[in-house]
Amino acid sequence: GAGVSQTPSNKVTEKGKYVELRCDPISGHTALYWYRQSLGQGPEFLIYFQGTGAADDSGLPNDRFFAVRPEGSVSTLKIQRTERGDSAVYLCASSHAAGGNSPLHFGNGTRLTVT
Amino acid sequence: AQTVTQSQPEMSVQEAETVTLSCTYDTSESDYYLFWYKQPPSRQMILVIRQEAYKQQNATENRFSVNFQKAAKSFSLKISDSQLGDAAMYFCAYRGNRDDKIIFGKGTRLHILP
Repeated sequence: GAGVSQTPSNKVTEKGKYVELRCDPISGHTALYWYRQSLGQGPEFLIYFQGTGAADDSGLPNDRFFAVRPEGSVSTLKIQRTERGDSAVYLCASSHAAGGNSPLHFGNGTRLTVT
Repeated sequence: AQTVTQSQPEMSVQEAETVTLSCTYDTSESDYYLFWYKQPPSRQMILVIRQEAYKQQNATENRFSVNFQKAAKSFSLKISDSQLGDAAMYFCAYRGNRDDKIIFGKGTRLHILP
């Protein structure tokens, strides 16, 4: 079966622009996570959805970052007024169930470069 | 807050030898879950092995095994018979019993020497 799909794989944008990053989770997975990975660092938690609702958005760095999952499947991470410090790989993961030992299944990420 | 520490930024091992990657974590919880993920240059994170804190027996998956020391809050990964395909970044990760997000360490880059 298909894994987690993230598009685009690479995105270059100018400082101040708006970007959207898309994530298609594995079919049937109810939990969806967004992480940000800066160069040489581990993934940093941003937000987690259970179904359509954001169950935990404590990792969003500021109000320029927003994510939606309107139908409980595809999710979009939106970044307004991008800054050079937003440059990173944005990873999406899905899970059959939330919590416990349910592993996260990751996509290949979107590399965002803000110039 | 829980933290995960990987004190070895890089390690190298000869092909076919055994290597151990270190991980320590800080938590006040008694029930939790631990994971090791591998990230090759393709960027996709792949689950290597997982351990439930309530289980005393160390998890094993083929050439991969862990040494889970709950009292010391240590969770090391042992790779036996290292292969060239094992070269990657390895991340140790923690999930609390009352939490759904997984917290990752900074990673260890593993080089396999032919």
